[in-house]
Amino acid sequence: NAGVTQTPKFRVLKTGQSMTLLCAQDMNHEYMYWYRQDPGMGLRLIHYSVGEGTTAKGEVPDGYNVSRLKKQNFLLGLESAAPSQTSVYFCASSYGRGDWNEQFFGPGTRLTVL
Amino acid sequence: QQQVKQSPQSLIVQKGGISIINCAYENTAFDYFPWYQQFPGKGPALLIAIRPDVSEKKEGRFTISFNKSAKQFSLHIMDSQPGDSATYFCAASSGSYGKLTFGQGTILTVHP
Repeated sequence: NAGVTQTPKFRVLKTGQSMTLLCAQDMNHEYMYWYRQDPGMGLRLIHYSVGEGTTAKGEVPDGYNVSRLKKQNFLLGLESAAPSQTSVYFCASSYGRGDWNEQFFGPGTRLTVL
Repeated sequence: QQQVKQSPQSLIVQKGGISIINCAYENTAFDYFPWYQQFPGKGPALLIAIRPDVSEKKEGRFTISFNKSAKQFSLHIMDSQPGDSATYFCAASSGSYGKLTFGQGTILTVHP
C-alpha cells in the first residue's frame, strides 16, 4: 500500500496564478483533510471531507476550494494564489470510525508564491 | 486564537536524558489528545494518544501524562536517543469528524 500520496512535491507560483494539489489514499478511508504548516504555527486545518461528495470548511479556508468526487481523492485548489499562501501543505486521511481516529499524513507539498 | 498551546518551542537533550514537552488546552469539549512526530521532509505520524478517562499512558519510552483539571497534558521521552530528534506536535480533538487542533510544535534535538 502506498498510503497517502501527494502531487506535486514542490511548486512555485506567481501571484494570481491558480493550481490544484492532488491527494490520493489507498486505505479506503472515509475522512480526508487538508492542512497547512507554517513555522511556529503548527498545522492548521483548511478543509475536510467526511465522505465522497462532501466537503466542509476548517480553520483557515479562505482562498482555497476543495473537491472529493472520488472516495480515494481529495483535491485542494488555489484560484488566485497570494504570497500568504506560501506554505507546506499536508493531506491526511482516517478511517472515521472507532475510538482512535488516527490520521495518516502524506509527505507534503511545498508551495512558494512569488 | 490558539486553542492548544505547546512549549517549549525547541528543546536540546543529551542522549539518555528525559525530554518533556507540555501542552495546554482551552476547549473542555476536547476528548482525544494525540502526539505526532515529524521528521524533516516527512509528514507527521501518530506517536501516542490518550483519552481523558486515564491520567497516564505509556508505550515503550514514550509516556503521556494528562491532567484534566488543569487542562494540561505532556509527553515524556525516557532515555532519549539521537533518532528521537524530530518535531513533536500535540493535538486535540472534540470528536467532531476527527478534526485536530494542533499545538505550535517543539523541535527536539538529542545530542549523542
